[in-house]
Amino acid sequence: EVQLVESGGGLVIPGGSLRLSCVASEFTFNYAWVSWVRQAPGKGLEWVGRIKSKADGETTDYAAPVNGRFTISRDDSKNTLYLQMNSLKTEDTGVYYCTTVREGTTDAFDIWGQGTTVTVSS
Amino acid sequence: QSVLTQPPSVSGAPGQRVTISCTGSSSNIGASYDVHWYQQLPGMAPKLLIYGNSNRPSGVPDRFSGSKSGTSTSLAITGLQAEDEADYYCQSYDSSLSGSVFGGGTKVTVL
Repeated sequence: EVQLVESGGGLVIPGGSLRLSCVASEFTFNYAWVSWVRQAPGKGLEWVGRIKSKADGETTDYAAPVNGRFTISRDDSKNTLYLQMNSLKTEDTGVYYCTTVREGTTDAFDIWGQGTTVTVSS
Repeated sequence: QSVLTQPPSVSGAPGQRVTISCTGSSSNIGASYDVHWYQQLPGMAPKLLIYGNSNRPSGVPDRFSGSKSGTSTSLAITGLQAEDEADYYCQSYDSSLSGSVFGGGTKVTVL
């Protein structure tokens, strides 16, 4: 079954760091563009950032609220996507989903993980 | 304040047709960027419902349809069913923000 599984969430104090992982299975991960999307408690979806495939330059883009604090990377040999989060703020609290971009589109999010919860609190 | 504007809620009786609007601007929907729609059931991850304005992924019932005109798009659900009760989000690309943007979400209630 094609799936994404996130891990690494937890409780962290403001100013701290956390690294999330997302492992892909049963599909050709190395060709996929992959994004992180988050959802604050009781709120809507917010795009965090994206990394393109190695073939497309492995370039990254970030939403303004996280630019300069978050870094997306990938290890295709491990079918794994990472989100390094530094200088965390209370407003970064939420469920973080990894999601792949549907082939043939540039930003339709096709496969989603179950999400991992990040809580930033003192 | 979301870049894309959706009504907070819509409701309808079983079997009825409901529509959800998604309004943007000249830097996103009006710039001809594609719009995609997602359904999020309570406690679950979002699911792609419509991509490229009006295309359904395999497995999505044809009761769901998308359309686009100018700076607005809409999602229609015909033959509303109890299992359609969920939150629905539109999404597009915004050139001024250089990234994807979502609407604030619309809660569909089946009366």
